[in-house]
Amino acid sequence: QQQVRQSPQSLTVWEGETAILNCSYEDSTFNYFPWYQQFPGEGPALLISIRSVSDKKEDGRFTIFFNKREKKLSLHITDSQPGDSATYFCAASAQGGSAKLIFGEGTKLTVSS
Amino acid sequence: GPKVLQIPSHQIIDMGQMVTLNCDPVSNHLYFYWYKQILGQQMEFLVNFYNGKVMEKSKLFKDQFSVERPDGSYFTLKIQPTALEDSAVYFCASSLEQASAETLYFGSGTRLTVL
Repeated sequence: QQQVRQSPQSLTVWEGETAILNCSYEDSTFNYFPWYQQFPGEGPALLISIRSVSDKKEDGRFTIFFNKREKKLSLHITDSQPGDSATYFCAASAQGGSAKLIFGEGTKLTVSS
Repeated sequence: GPKVLQIPSHQIIDMGQMVTLNCDPVSNHLYFYWYKQILGQQMEFLVNFYNGKVMEKSKLFKDQFSVERPDGSYFTLKIQPTALEDSAVYFCASSLEQASAETLYFGSGTRLTVL
């Protein structure tokens, strides 16, 4: 049972473009959605997160758009840089924090220069 | 920033043997987690641990699995005996507070290969 889904599986954009990574979930009790960035050989690191009371969260070039009714969210990376090339995981939690995260399958982003 | 250390990065073991995966969490953290990631799949929650006890575990946390953190040393995941399907990357994580993913840090993982 896949509770958190991500699309696309992989994405290539040119430097300077906006990358859009999608995520959807099934469990309506999920109320916290962190996005993690993972480089090869490293563990995932928290990039940005949003709680279900908000519909948008912005941090520099990274923005989460959240649609509670449709149970969808997306991560927008504006002015993409080659250093943004990584795998991005959408995750969800029903307890508002770190207790038990449900991860999506990840989107591998490649930014070409 | 704070680091969670996992040693070794890769471990190879024969099926049926015991293996212990070690995690050195962030020093003042109180909550500890193990996640399992099979190649090409998503990371899946195994267990979380607080104050010497398992707080929650998933169905992936089989009877052959156990965790402990004796006297503030390494947080360990022991698998005894190992099975072929245990081959995966195991990520340890720690956090200061359970309700704060902002303080949740992951290690770089231990790749376990069961032959």
